[in-house]
Amino acid sequence: GNSVTQMEGPVTLSEEAFLTINCTYTATGYPSLFWYVQYPGEGLQLLLKATKADDKGSNKGFEATYRKETTSFHLEKGSVQVSDSAVYFCALRTNSGGSNYKLTFGKGTLLTVNP
Amino acid sequence: EADIYQTPRYLVIGTGKKITLECSQTMGHDKMYWYQQDPGMELHLIHYSYGVNSTEKGDLSSESTVSRIRTEHFPLTLESARPSHTSQYLCASSQTYTDTQYFGPGTRLTVL
Repeated sequence: GNSVTQMEGPVTLSEEAFLTINCTYTATGYPSLFWYVQYPGEGLQLLLKATKADDKGSNKGFEATYRKETTSFHLEKGSVQVSDSAVYFCALRTNSGGSNYKLTFGKGTLLTVNP
Repeated sequence: EADIYQTPRYLVIGTGKKITLECSQTMGHDKMYWYQQDPGMELHLIHYSYGVNSTEKGDLSSESTVSRIRTEHFPLTLESARPSHTSQYLCASSQTYTDTQYFGPGTRLTVL
């Protein structure tokens, strides 16, 4: 079946530090990959996505590259801000195996950025 | 901008009460979902719907029930709330053949 494993948190960084949150996956077929972000007290928002191998998703200074050979989709940002403090979820979606558009989520990584 | 709404945002209720959590979307999406988010942040799919009059159980067993009488509306009901139902409930929607799910702000339910 499908599964997503992401780096356990919490992660605490100082402002302007470099961020990496690791994400690896197991899936049948050719999944689409996502990063969602959840700010305190809110629902999830799509941060970025990639739909095929070697695609790079980017948004708000965050990037992630779909690596089929390593089954990974690591999230990176060169210089984090206090406003980036949130929970980050890696997710995948396949159209095969009866998944029918359902997302499979990782367990989430809490990021705290200190001034 | 995603337009998906959940009410109430917060609910504190006593054991044994019947509750309905509301979810509505104005995007015309055919697919809708309910997730339960535990205190450790992990998300569990408990119900989903592919369209009007279609509902399915998700990956995590839940005592709640759902209905989909109108495209835009996907309420979740607990007939008799218990403390074990205390959690955050997130509703989401998506359109067929697109990848993105749009989430509502969530309902934080506390059962005393």
